[in-house]
Amino acid sequence: ETGVTQTPRHLVMGMTNKKSLKCEQHLGHNAMYWYKQSAKKPLELMFVYNFKEQTENNSVPSRFSPECPNSSHLFLHLHTLQPEDSALYLCASSQLVINTEAFFGQGTRLTVV
Amino acid sequence: DQQVKQNSPSLSVQEGRISILNCDYTNSMFDYFLWYKKYPAEGPTFLISISSIKDKNEDGRFTVFLNKSAKHLSLHIVPSQPGDSAVYFCAAIGGGGSNYKLTFGKGTLLTVNP
Repeated sequence: ETGVTQTPRHLVMGMTNKKSLKCEQHLGHNAMYWYKQSAKKPLELMFVYNFKEQTENNSVPSRFSPECPNSSHLFLHLHTLQPEDSALYLCASSQLVINTEAFFGQGTRLTVV
Repeated sequence: DQQVKQNSPSLSVQEGRISILNCDYTNSMFDYFLWYKKYPAEGPTFLISISSIKDKNEDGRFTVFLNKSAKHLSLHIVPSQPGDSAVYFCAAIGGGGSNYKLTFGKGTLLTVNP
């Protein structure tokens, strides 16, 4: 248990569905992140939130929409996804200081059919 | 352009022997390096880190070595245990501006055989 909890652990959705991934941390961290882990690819950073403000969007398609209502919660809203979006989506958090490790959740395994 | 490279997708070692996982980077602005361990269907777990002002950091069975001039780091696991079997990711922080942004390699699958 790393202190970062993601729900659901597994999700199967159709291309016309709307779903949301949830991430929660109670580590007192100020920064939260969404990462995508596809097979045979490096871990890809999608979004960064610092103090609830989005500070980075790594050219992520608009069918992925993040939301950070407070520094402990992060959502990823999914809409009209494609089969190639199937992947493991990882949430992480860290203190907003230089040179610190990020703590990861266990991820949501997403399958788009 | 991949800034953190793990050129060996897999490594197999015998229990009790040393495992050496390698990582190369291209961005000279990276100043902090981390190793993460990942089991199937789980998120990466932080293992060990090293600052660019050091060339070695040791934590139990795990030691990370950094060669700045070669832009190379390695993770040594001694002795290797079957429970160490996992994917190991090398990551770096820095790169001018985003000091909190982790850049990951593709990972190396370590298999420790009993």
